This record gives sequence, C-alpha cells and structure tokens, in this order.
Amino acid sequence: QKEVEQNSGPLSVPEGAIASLNCTYSDRGSQSFFWYRQYSGKSPELIMSIYSNGDKEDGRFTAQLNKASQYVSLLIRDSQPSDSATYLCAVNIPGNQFYFGTGTSLTVIP
Amino acid sequence: DAGVIQSPRHEVTEMGQEVTLRCKPISGHDYLFWYRQTMMRGLELLIYFNNNVPIDDSGMPEDRFSAKMPNASFSTLKIQPSEPRDSAVYFCASSWSRTGSNEQFFGPGTRLTVL
Repeated sequence: QKEVEQNSGPLSVPEGAIASLNCTYSDRGSQSFFWYRQYSGKSPELIMSIYSNGDKEDGRFTAQLNKASQYVSLLIRDSQPSDSATYLCAVNIPGNQFYFGTGTSLTVIP
Repeated sequence: DAGVIQSPRHEVTEMGQEVTLRCKPISGHDYLFWYRQTMMRGLELLIYFNNNVPIDDSGMPEDRFSAKMPNASFSTLKIQPSEPRDSAVYFCASSWSRTGSNEQFFGPGTRLTVL
C-alpha cells in the first residue's frame, strides 16, 4: 500500500467552477500535510500546508484535513485556466520523512 | 532570497559516465532533500540531510548513487556509472525546522538524460 494515494485524473472543470482534489494517507502518525502545484516542466511549488483537523483557507484555496479518516483535500474556488497543473499531496511523518502522492492533473477549461 | 539553486539545469551524458548534480539550499535552512521524478514512479525521496549529516538514504536506488553535504550551503548527488534508467528530473529541496512547519522549497531541478 502506498503511503499517499491520489486520483491521477485527469480532472477537468470549467472556468469559475470549484475544483476538488483528494488525497488519502496510510500512516496515522502523520503530522503535517501539504499541497504542491507543479506546472509542466517546472518544480513543485508549495501552495498550502495544514497541520490540524478542519479547514484552512488562503485566497481561492481551501485545504481540509480529517485525521480520523486519514484524508486531506484541496478545494480551488473560481478556478482559472492558470490553475491547470498537476497537484501533489505530501505527508510528513515523524523523523521528517516525506511522502508524495503521484499527483492529480487538473485542467480548467475556459 | 534566491531560493534553492541547482546546477546544471540539463545534463546529457552517455551510459557509464559519472554525473554530478549540485545544490545550494536556501540560506539558514537546516534540512536538505534530494528527489527524483519520473512519469512512472512520480516523486521519490532519495536521501535527506539534517545539519549536513545524512539522516535517511533508504531511497537511494543503488550503490551507484552517492550524496554528500560538505557544508550548510552545498550538496552533491553523484551517479557513477550512469545508466539509461537513471534518466529523470532530480530535484533538491530545503526546509527550516525551527518554524516547525516542515515546509519544503524546491529548486528548479536538473533534467538528466543518459544515452
């Protein structure tokens, strides 16, 4: 079983819609959770981090964490074509070990 | 801040040759990570350092791979001898533990092609 699982997509949403990206993880000791955005040919860019259960909002982005269900999600409101990218979920377990999901490809259609 | 710096950005070499990838972390960061990314396997952690000391190298695929961090501002990843299956994008990332956030910041990557 992989440490971090994501739907590979591709996920397509119309411009202005809400994009919902999901991630599950296997280690209950996981402490920190991150969402990275990666444009084609570029490096991963940190867009959200979340450490406690609940929601965390930053502009058009909302991260949601449910440790009981071992589930973390990213919502993108008012999706824009510039949001088209691959979104990577990352989990940090004690000892500073990091695991990344394989990413979900998002396309926002104008 | 200049961010994480990696060199070279692109490397094309022939099978059997030695390849050295270089990384300069963000100043003040005490963790440094080396990753490899391929379409098939995604982003894989190879090794990471804390205060220049290797902590976990369990992700290093073979003895052909080695990494060093002689000081806080420089690290190398070496492949000797290189093989075509080593072709990938290699990323270096750094983080600062004092914030407790464990947020990692990535360099631009080195695209390695082994012919």
